[in-house]
Amino acid sequence: EAQVTQNPRYLITVTGKKLTVTCSQNMNHEYMSWYRQDPGLGLRQIYYSMNVEVTDKGDVPEGYKVSRKEKRNFPLILESPSPNQTSLYFCASSLRPPGQILEQYFGPGTRLTVT
Amino acid sequence: SQQGEEDPQALSIQEGENATMNCSYKTSINNLQWYRQNSGRGLVHLILIRSNEREKHSGRLRVTLDTSKKSSSLLITASRAADTASYFCATDAPSGNTPLVFGKGTRLSVIA
Repeated sequence: EAQVTQNPRYLITVTGKKLTVTCSQNMNHEYMSWYRQDPGLGLRQIYYSMNVEVTDKGDVPEGYKVSRKEKRNFPLILESPSPNQTSLYFCASSLRPPGQILEQYFGPGTRLTVT
Repeated sequence: SQQGEEDPQALSIQEGENATMNCSYKTSINNLQWYRQNSGRGLVHLILIRSNEREKHSGRLRVTLDTSKKSSSLLITASRAADTASYFCATDAPSGNTPLVFGKGTRLSVIA
């Protein structure tokens, strides 16, 4: 089944403790992206990747890192999480980048709470 | 930013009625997409309309695009309780390789 998977789905952690949220897609998509969703703010893009080893900042990259060593995986890394990073995170992928007229497929989301 | 803005923020209707949601954006676009999100879950793509198209249909969904007014509308006909969800528009720029920008969404409640 074609899908985007994220792990973990739920995470409660403490300030400063490094964490990684994994994202994997099995559709051979070139483009992958991370979003955070907060009440009243909608979805905001954190980082995106056009292809392997090509990543770029979105609208809200501060406090996050990503890597794209393989086409299928695009982990989101929080080196030193803070409470303002408490949010619902979504990974998404599409065959080609926006601007080339294709839909994005979203993962199920990761609800992160930083205390 | 060319963020889309949905209107209304929330909409409550009876089952069987039509639901109309609007999206406005600020700059030229390549295409506009509508997504649906059930509570706390991932977004699901509904329909895409290109900048040179004016109307598109998919089942009970009808999307219109008016590039002169920089606006789009999503009509859901004969709504069902299962249509209860948040609906987002998303746009990307003609220059390509720019992020897909989402609006804040319209929360639709369909009452059985």
